[in-house]
Amino acid sequence: GQQLNQSPQSMFIQEGEDVSMNCTSSSIFNTWLWYKQDPGEGPVLLIALYKAGELTSNGRLTAQFGITRKDSFLNISASIPSDVGIYFCAGLYHGSGNTGKLIFGQGTTLQVKP
Amino acid sequence: DAGITQSPRYKITETGRQVTLMCHQTWSHSYMFWYRQDLGHGLRLIYYSAAADITDKGEVPDGYVVSRSKTENFPLTLESATRSQTSVYFCASRREANYGYTFGSGTRLTVV
Repeated sequence: GQQLNQSPQSMFIQEGEDVSMNCTSSSIFNTWLWYKQDPGEGPVLLIALYKAGELTSNGRLTAQFGITRKDSFLNISASIPSDVGIYFCAGLYHGSGNTGKLIFGQGTTLQVKP
Repeated sequence: DAGITQSPRYKITETGRQVTLMCHQTWSHSYMFWYRQDLGHGLRLIYYSAAADITDKGEVPDGYVVSRSKTENFPLTLESATRSQTSVYFCASRREANYGYTFGSGTRLTVV
């Protein structure tokens, strides 16, 4: 089936540093989404991307929908301790029709050292 | 309160017992989903539903049963729980025109 390869698997950074993570696939996706999961909670939607090449920001977060429609990246600028969590990319596969089933990456675990 | 709620939040059950995890959403979203989350596997789709009385299998449906008699409820039943079903289970819903899912807070299930 379709897969999303998310990297890196984990990151341990210093407060104030910028963070970058990405998702790639061999399949074409119509929509890319980025979620954050805090410990003990469900994932929460951060950014949604609907067009190839689209660049969208949400505060210190910026995400882009790759031109080839096979990848997406998420950047976090000037990280703070509350950025800690697991970040998931998710894609709506081109062939999904109207089912709306998202395919999720494996997640990037982010730890921020104050 | 509006939203999507899961119950119970934590559950311990014995191997072979039947257990049902509840999911309730207040938005009348058409689509609802059940995922399990395990270390090393990310989020894996168990079952989904496009509307009341319409359900379909996801990636890992074996050992699970779902029903959707009402739009707002989407219970997940483990017919005969096994240790391999120890996991965190998330329910999610989606509006027609919005591809972003909204997730519940999860149910942590332990099968002993």
